[in-house]
Amino acid sequence: AQSVAQPEDQVNVAEGNPLTVKCTYSVSGNPYLFWYVQYPNRGLQFLLKYITGDNLVKGSYGFEAEFNKSQTSFHLKKPSALVSDSALYFCAVRPAPASKLTFGTGTRLQVTL
Amino acid sequence: NAGVTQTPKFRILKIGQSMTLQCTQDMNHNYMYWYRQDPGMGLKLIYYSVGAGITDKGEVPNGYNVSRSTTEDFPLRLELAAPSQTSVYFCASSYSGSTNEKLFFGSGTQLSVL
Repeated sequence: AQSVAQPEDQVNVAEGNPLTVKCTYSVSGNPYLFWYVQYPNRGLQFLLKYITGDNLVKGSYGFEAEFNKSQTSFHLKKPSALVSDSALYFCAVRPAPASKLTFGTGTRLQVTL
Repeated sequence: NAGVTQTPKFRILKIGQSMTLQCTQDMNHNYMYWYRQDPGMGLKLIYYSVGAGITDKGEVPNGYNVSRSTTEDFPLRLELAAPSQTSVYFCASSYSGSTNEKLFFGSGTQLSVL
């Protein structure tokens, strides 16, 4: 069965600094990977996805994610954090067609001035 | 477009009561989903539907029922509320179940069972 791990419950970053939110996955076969963001009192919003091709995927709001097959990781990154990036971030994996999306437990990103 | 709309936003139930969480989408999506979000547990799939008249169980279906009489609506029914059902519930939709397709989420219903 597929699984997703987000090892950090919270990540604290100063505004202007780079940020990384970690995600590792376990699936059989080629994974389809996603990042979603949840702002307070809102539903999840799609950020970006990896299907095939370039290992560096660019998404919304200046975020990008790097797919690393050998390390089975899909870390979310941003070169310069903003206070408005503070939110809950979820990694998700869907291993094959007709399979369901499996979400990680979420990482809370706190960006401070 | 409104996207995915959920009502109510908040609700407190007593043990044993029943209620229906409403979900409607105006994007003509075929697939709809119900998730629950518990602290530190991520999202768990309760039920999903691939089209009107078709529903199927997800990971945690016990204590819930769904129906899909129209493409737009996908209500979630709790028949005998229990404290274990205290959670935040999210409805989501997608045009198809394609592997690379993103989901659109509603803003959630926070339910407390006391």
